[in-house]
Amino acid sequence: DVKVTQSSRYLVKRTGEKVFLECVQDMDHENMFWYRQDPGLGLRLIYFSYDVKMKEKGDIPEGYSVSREKKERFSLILESASTNQTSMYLCASRGLAAPLSYNEQFFGPGTRLTVL
Amino acid sequence: ILNVEQSPQSLHVQEGDSTNFTCSFPSSNFYALHWYRWETAKSPEALFVMTLNGDEKKKGRISATLNTKEGYSYLYIKGSQPEDSATYLCAHNNAGNMLTFGGGTRLMVKP
Repeated sequence: DVKVTQSSRYLVKRTGEKVFLECVQDMDHENMFWYRQDPGLGLRLIYFSYDVKMKEKGDIPEGYSVSREKKERFSLILESASTNQTSMYLCASRGLAAPLSYNEQFFGPGTRLTVL
Repeated sequence: ILNVEQSPQSLHVQEGDSTNFTCSFPSSNFYALHWYRWETAKSPEALFVMTLNGDEKKKGRISATLNTKEGYSYLYIKGSQPEDSATYLCAHNNAGNMLTFGGGTRLMVKP
């Protein structure tokens, strides 16, 4: 059974703290993604990674960075958390079977982050 | 402004009712259209990947159709059950092989 896990389901942090959200997948997928989900806005892509040590900005990268040192792990970092980063964060992974557009993404259960 | 739009935003139905909702997306440069179901406290799970104009896919009581020329897809649920309560997301696969998601339709089925 394929699995994407995220380090926390709920997280409460204070403004200015450095926050790490961890994601691990066990499917040997090359591609990994971080999204945030806000009411009425759908999932918006923050960053994605083609493969180990490779990363690309998504639609809303400001205030975030990422790290992919191992294939199975993709970390999202909030260098200095702000209240407007309160959101649900979802990690996903995808394999590279062709054609790529047909491949589903496999999601983790999400981390609900509250920044006070 | 999302260029993938879903309607309605939320929907309440009685158990046994059939229902449907819509996803609209840019009709140019179509690659694929994905449907996901996201139940509360669980991970979003893929329902369908639709790739050809006129596609119709079915999984149990849930089915979906695709019109790439006019840029829409319908998701149908026949005889809704409480376990169908979830948020249904559609996502358009763009030329860069990234998914652009709609805002979702939240379905609540009352027993």
